Amino acid sequence: DAMVIQNPRYQVTQFGKPVTLSCSQTLNHNVMYWYQQKSSQAPKLLFHYYDKDFNNEADTPDNFQSRRPNTSFCFLDIRSPGLGDAAMYLCATSSRYANSPPQETQYFGPGTRLLVL
Amino acid sequence: AQSVTQPDIHITVSEGASLELRCNYSYGATPYLFWYVQSPGQGLQLLLKYFSGDTLVQGIKGFEAEFKRSQSSFNLRKPSVHWSDAAEYFCAVGMKTSYDKVIFGPGTSLSVIP
Repeated sequence: DAMVIQNPRYQVTQFGKPVTLSCSQTLNHNVMYWYQQKSSQAPKLLFHYYDKDFNNEADTPDNFQSRRPNTSFCFLDIRSPGLGDAAMYLCATSSRYANSPPQETQYFGPGTRLLVL
Repeated sequence: AQSVTQPDIHITVSEGASLELRCNYSYGATPYLFWYVQSPGQGLQLLLKYFSGDTLVQGIKGFEAEFKRSQSSFNLRKPSVHWSDAAEYFCAVGMKTSYDKVIFGPGTSLSVIP
């Protein structure tokens, strides 16, 4: 089945130690998103890629970076995790033609829960 | 600024009872509208969506939602709730001025009493 895969499901890191979360998709969608979701809160968009074009949200801290080496993969890098970065990180994908509305709604992966010690 | 409100933080219903979860949005034009469900520790699953056309939308798991332009609302309903429906429900708005961006409401937590 086509899907959005996130690895690992649980990640433990130390305060200040860089960590990378990964997302892959078999949907061949051209848009990929990273959201941060803290306990009992709505998902908060960090950034997204439309094809190779990177779109950063204005309030996303510089500590968060992303890479998309190809259509299928997208990575979230947290350069120096702080205790406040402990959260669920959700990857999502969708499909859209240029200058057109979304063809697909967003499909979400199961998330990676990050714990910072 | 665009926003989504879900007035009910938490709702408890008995199994078999009907359900309505409220969602209101603030946006200058007709947005794209979505309802997602999230079980504990899981990602979000789309229940239904409204892009245009018929304002009563049918979704998965027996859910439906009605878009009311005059009230800026997109309430989710289910005639008979099952215990497995206990989860967090998020209303979301997609904007036609920024096709890729979706704004999520704060969520409503649903508990179901057997």
